[in-house]
Amino acid sequence: QKEVEQDPGPLSVPEGAIVSLNCTYSNSAFQYFMWYRQYSRKGPELLMYTYSSGNKEDGRFTAQVDKSSKYISLFIRDLQPSDSATYLCAMTDNYGQNFVFGPGTRLSVLP
Amino acid sequence: EAGVAQSPRYKIIEKRQSVAFWCNPISGHATLYWYQQILGQGPKLLIQFQNNGVVDDSQLPKDRFSAERLKGVDSTLKIQPAKLEDSAVYLCASSPGQGRSGANVLTFGAGSRLTVL
Repeated sequence: QKEVEQDPGPLSVPEGAIVSLNCTYSNSAFQYFMWYRQYSRKGPELLMYTYSSGNKEDGRFTAQVDKSSKYISLFIRDLQPSDSATYLCAMTDNYGQNFVFGPGTRLSVLP
Repeated sequence: EAGVAQSPRYKIIEKRQSVAFWCNPISGHATLYWYQQILGQGPKLLIQFQNNGVVDDSQLPKDRFSAERLKGVDSTLKIQPAKLEDSAVYLCASSPGQGRSGANVLTFGAGSRLTVL
């Protein structure tokens, strides 16, 4: 079992819709959970950052963490064509010494 | 605040040749990371520095890859000799460092894309 698994996609979703992107993990030491967005030929950029379990909302983005199930999600509402990118989940322990990324989910938003 | 700078952006070499990538992190960031991202996959950590010391290089193929961060600021990643499977994007990232605000947030550069023929 890989340390972090992510829905592989690719996903094609119409403009204005809602999408859920999901990751599961196996290491219970992970405490910080992040979502990065990566456009083609660019480096990943941080979207959302959460600590431990719970929800966090930022505009059209909502991140959810369920540590008991080792499951995290990113919801994106009112999708725009500019949201077309690869979304990477990432997580690390309390010491920032073990950053692990999921394989990414490619999302295409259709106008 | 200037971002993470990387060069070159693109490099094409033949197998068995050598290549070097350079990274300048965000000013004041103590921790620097090199990741390898193969097409269609997530980034894989190669090496992590805290100032000029190595924190984790467990996934660095040490027979061909080397990295240094001599003055605790910029860093160089070298591959010698290159293999076909080294074709990837090499991403540099930095963070403020342990015990500092935002320690667990990485800021990435644009990456250096390597093609080995």
